Amino acid sequence: AQRVTQPEKLLSVFKGAPVELKCNYSYSGSPELFWYVQYSRQRLQLLLRHISRESIKGFTADLNKGETSFHLKKPFAQEEDSAMYYCALSGDNYGQNFVFGPGTRLSVLP
Amino acid sequence: NAGVTQTPKFRILKIGQSMTLQCTQDMNHNYMYWYRQDPGMGLKLIYYSVGAGITDKGEVPNGYNVSRSTTEDFPLRLELAAPSQTSVYFCASRPGRVWNEQFFGPGTRLTVL
Repeated sequence: AQRVTQPEKLLSVFKGAPVELKCNYSYSGSPELFWYVQYSRQRLQLLLRHISRESIKGFTADLNKGETSFHLKKPFAQEEDSAMYYCALSGDNYGQNFVFGPGTRLSVLP
Repeated sequence: NAGVTQTPKFRILKIGQSMTLQCTQDMNHNYMYWYRQDPGMGLKLIYYSVGAGITDKGEVPNGYNVSRSTTEDFPLRLELAAPSQTSVYFCASRPGRVWNEQFFGPGTRLTVL
């Protein structure tokens, strides 16, 4: 069964410090991986996805199939990055095979 | 496109009351989902649908019912509200290909007293 884990419930860093939010997955096929962000009292919105290989708001994520990881990184954290971050996986079936991790709350301190 | 819309935005219910949370999407997406998010916690899948007339249970379906008579609408029904159902409810939709993300609605904040 597919599963997404995010080992840190809360991650606190100082402004300007590097950030890495960890995401590991288990899936037997070839999944697509996503990162979502949820700012305070707002809806979830897509931050980036593996297939696009893009950098959004300075964040990047690399898929490591050997380690089954999709860690989210940013070299210099900003206070406005404080939010809840969810890693998600879409399997190579349709519809129901879309799983979210438990989320990591990032707090960027001034 | 309005995307995914949800009504109401807020609601207070008394224990035992019933209500329907509305969700509509105008993107012609086949797949729709209902999640709940308890304070400070992550998302839990309640129900999902892969197309009109097809629904299935998620992780926490007890106390809820859904229907999907059209592609656009996916209402969530609470029959006998309980305090444990106090939460924020998010509806989402996606086209269905593996590389497509889910699009979320703004949420409904429900309090059961």
